[in-house]
Amino acid sequence: GEEVAQTPKHLVRGEGQKAKLYCAPIKGHSYVFWYQQVLKNEFKFLISFQNENVFDETGMPKERFSAKCLPNSPCSLEIQATKLEDSAVYFCASSQGEDPGELFFGEGSRLTVL
Amino acid sequence: QQQVKQSPQSLIVQKGGISIINCAYENTAFDYFPWYQQFPGKGPALLIAIRPDVSEKKEGRFTISFNKSAKQFSLHIMDSQPGDSATYFCAASRGRNSGYSTLTFGKGTMLLVSP
Repeated sequence: GEEVAQTPKHLVRGEGQKAKLYCAPIKGHSYVFWYQQVLKNEFKFLISFQNENVFDETGMPKERFSAKCLPNSPCSLEIQATKLEDSAVYFCASSQGEDPGELFFGEGSRLTVL
Repeated sequence: QQQVKQSPQSLIVQKGGISIINCAYENTAFDYFPWYQQFPGKGPALLIAIRPDVSEKKEGRFTISFNKSAKQFSLHIMDSQPGDSATYFCAASRGRNSGYSTLTFGKGTMLLVSP
């Protein structure tokens, strides 16, 4: 498609439950990025993919977070055993290349952990 | 080394005025400096970007000024309009030839342009 599509828009989970978010990148874009935006607007980079391969996972809290980009499927970000501090808006972005260039962001998925 | 510091946190400008947002970075290997604009409930969108081989880039009412020696860059919005009211983020990254790093964002500036 012509835009990055993220689902769901909103997700509410009780503490300890699992949350899974999905992202369909722009067609033809081979790089996918996940960012977490917390209440004070700060963006935290989580992970990026080049096609189905992890490209950069330096920001990923590996204990409870995992992500995948499989062929012919939306990319996903999964949080096992959610905590209150996981409440945030999770943005997916895609780009044509990994070198600095324009990232196209989706509208985000708001996760609320109660 | 990866930090990008942005100021001010918030800014109120009258319609027709000039909005100025500043960013400073630490890592001299950064070689790409974009500004993103985010409206409430939306994802950020690229506004304008600059590379360190030029000191200024202008697109319409938006100008980036870049000072390599001071490790600072700023966004100027001329003739600010109410429709410019949004949160602005500066960012920086390194390309593969400079030892790749993903975009690092500043903490954002909430701009309100009063009618």
